[in-house]
Amino acid sequence: EPEVTQTPSHQVTQMGQEVILRCVPISNHLYFYWYRQILGQKVEFLVSFYNNEISEKSEIFDDQFSVERPDGSNFTLKIRSTKLEDSAMYFCASSEVGTHGYTFGSGTRLTVV
Amino acid sequence: AQSVTQLGSHVSVSEGALVLLRCNYSSSVPPYLFWYVQYPNQGLQLLLKYTTGATLVKGINGFEAEFKKSETSFHLTKPSAHMSDAAEYFCAVSFDKVIFGPGTSLSVIP
Repeated sequence: EPEVTQTPSHQVTQMGQEVILRCVPISNHLYFYWYRQILGQKVEFLVSFYNNEISEKSEIFDDQFSVERPDGSNFTLKIRSTKLEDSAMYFCASSEVGTHGYTFGSGTRLTVV
Repeated sequence: AQSVTQLGSHVSVSEGALVLLRCNYSSSVPPYLFWYVQYPNQGLQLLLKYTTGATLVKGINGFEAEFKKSETSFHLTKPSAHMSDAAEYFCAVSFDKVIFGPGTSLSVIP
């Protein structure tokens, strides 16, 4: 069963630092997504990415955030100048066509101290 | 605008009892519908999905869900709960992106 791989599984960073969360989507998938889940809360959409550009973003995804597909396999989420409230589980997902069902990665737990 | 509601943030059932987790959606047209499960400190696993066709959808681990357009519902059921079913369950709806409901935490009492 193909998987979406996320690294690292847990990252601790100091407030104000930049972090890059990495994802390797399923190889033949064309659509990529980032979601966030603050502890004990719902899973929230951050951004979708298709054809090397952002196709949609939520109001959470402000100038602090950026995404990139630097090569043919990785999909990254960069968070600049992290804040305490950025502490959350970040999930990457990919889909082959449209939204018939994403495959999610196991998540990166980001802790900002 | 699309939205998803899940009645009951926490549901407890006895082992062997019926599991019923409720999900209703708000949408002008029938969306694609999903149930995901999240075990403690783990990622999101797709249980089942409805896109088109048969309205009763069977998923993994003995779960199934029925799409009822007239009720805008997609409730998740399992005839007999196991201890291993204890987890957080998220209903989700999609058009151009997947939107999650708030989740229901399922506890199974021995």
